[in-house]
Amino acid sequence: KNQVEQSPQSLIILEGKNCTLQCNYTVSPFSNLRWYKQDTGRGPVSLTIMTFSENTKSNGRYTATLDADTKQSSLHITASQLSDSASYICVVSPTSGGSYIPTFGRGTSLIVHP
Amino acid sequence: DAGVIQSPRHEVTEMGQEVTLRCKLISGHNSLFWYRQTMMRGLELLIYFNNNVPIDDSGMPEDRFSAKMPNASFSTLKIQPSEPRDSAVYFCASTRAGGTDTQYFGPGTRLTVL
Repeated sequence: KNQVEQSPQSLIILEGKNCTLQCNYTVSPFSNLRWYKQDTGRGPVSLTIMTFSENTKSNGRYTATLDADTKQSSLHITASQLSDSASYICVVSPTSGGSYIPTFGRGTSLIVHP
Repeated sequence: DAGVIQSPRHEVTEMGQEVTLRCKLISGHNSLFWYRQTMMRGLELLIYFNNNVPIDDSGMPEDRFSAKMPNASFSTLKIQPSEPRDSAVYFCASTRAGGTDTQYFGPGTRLTVL
């Protein structure tokens, strides 16, 4: 069964600090991995997308890494800001000749305190 | 572009009533996903359409749920009869070409069934 596990479940950091969120998956065969940011009361918004051949992708202060061999990904946030407070969701998509069903992680809830 | 549009944004209804949620895709997109999000289960894919055709509805909880795409830009998700356990936030998302494309989420409909 395809699964995506994220850790930690929640995280509290001080403004200006860095943090790293983890994502482990069992989806196979693997097509791509995305990180989404979901602000409270809003729909998820894509931050990064990586295929199996990519091992790092940046979007401003967000940097995602991927190790397709160990089936692990991380999202590193540099110099956190109050606006980074949100849920971060890891989504892994399989390759398929027909149907395409992504598997979602439960998310990591990040709170950035001033 | 206005993005994915969902209506209503909030819906409160009584158990047993019919509920219809609506979604308008981004112009030019041809794949549509309906999701349900709860604190307990996170984001769950309910059904996926490609070019107006339902590709996978294995996530639809039971026969009380039905989804349609009467045209290329519009979809409805109907729950009849509704139950308190259906209370959740329902999102729709669209992509240009399904598969590995980034999904653009709507703002969601918060459904409360009393």
